[in-house]
Amino acid sequence: KQEVTQIPAALSVPEGENLVLNCSFTDSAIYNLQWFRQDPGKGLTSLLLIQSSQREQTSGRLNASLDKSSGRSTLYIAASQPGDSATYLCAVGGATNKLIFGTGTLLAVQP
Amino acid sequence: NAGVTQTPKFQVLKTGQSMTLQCAQDMNHEYMSWYRQDPGMGLRLIHYSVGAGITDQGEVPNGYNVSRSTTEDFPLRLLSAAPSQTSVYFCASSYSSDSMWPQHFGDGTRLSIL
Repeated sequence: KQEVTQIPAALSVPEGENLVLNCSFTDSAIYNLQWFRQDPGKGLTSLLLIQSSQREQTSGRLNASLDKSSGRSTLYIAASQPGDSATYLCAVGGATNKLIFGTGTLLAVQP
Repeated sequence: NAGVTQTPKFQVLKTGQSMTLQCAQDMNHEYMSWYRQDPGMGLRLIHYSVGAGITDQGEVPNGYNVSRSTTEDFPLRLLSAAPSQTSVYFCASSYSSDSMWPQHFGDGTRLSIL
């Protein structure tokens, strides 16, 4: 059974800092890995998709990497801003048409 | 485009009552799914559908039924509500059922079972 873990559960950083969020999964037989953002009281917003054959994907100040063999992905946020404050979740997609989510990292960027 | 619309936004039920959470999308998406989100547990998949007439179970399907008679609608039915079903429920859709990307989420239904 696929299990997805995110560490840390919460993170507080000053504005302008570069930061890394971690996601690990137990079964390396994945199709893709996805990163999401969730603002309080809202649904999730898709941020990045990394296919299983890719090593990384970039969108603006966000860069996600994937190491399938070790069961790890990281989300790098450059030059963090207060508007980046949200919960970030990763999810693993497999052959069964199911997305398995991690528990999320609550990020607070202090002005 | 309205995207993914969930109704109601809030609901309080008594134990044993039944109800249907509605989900509709206007993007002609093939893949639709229901999740529940509980504190400290992330999102857990309840049921999903890869097209009209096709549904399957996710991680936590017990106590819930779904149907997909049209591409647009994917209602979630609670058969006999229990306090353990108190949660925030999210519906999501995507064009592709292979990649399940990008996912479009509704704003959720906050459900309390007394």
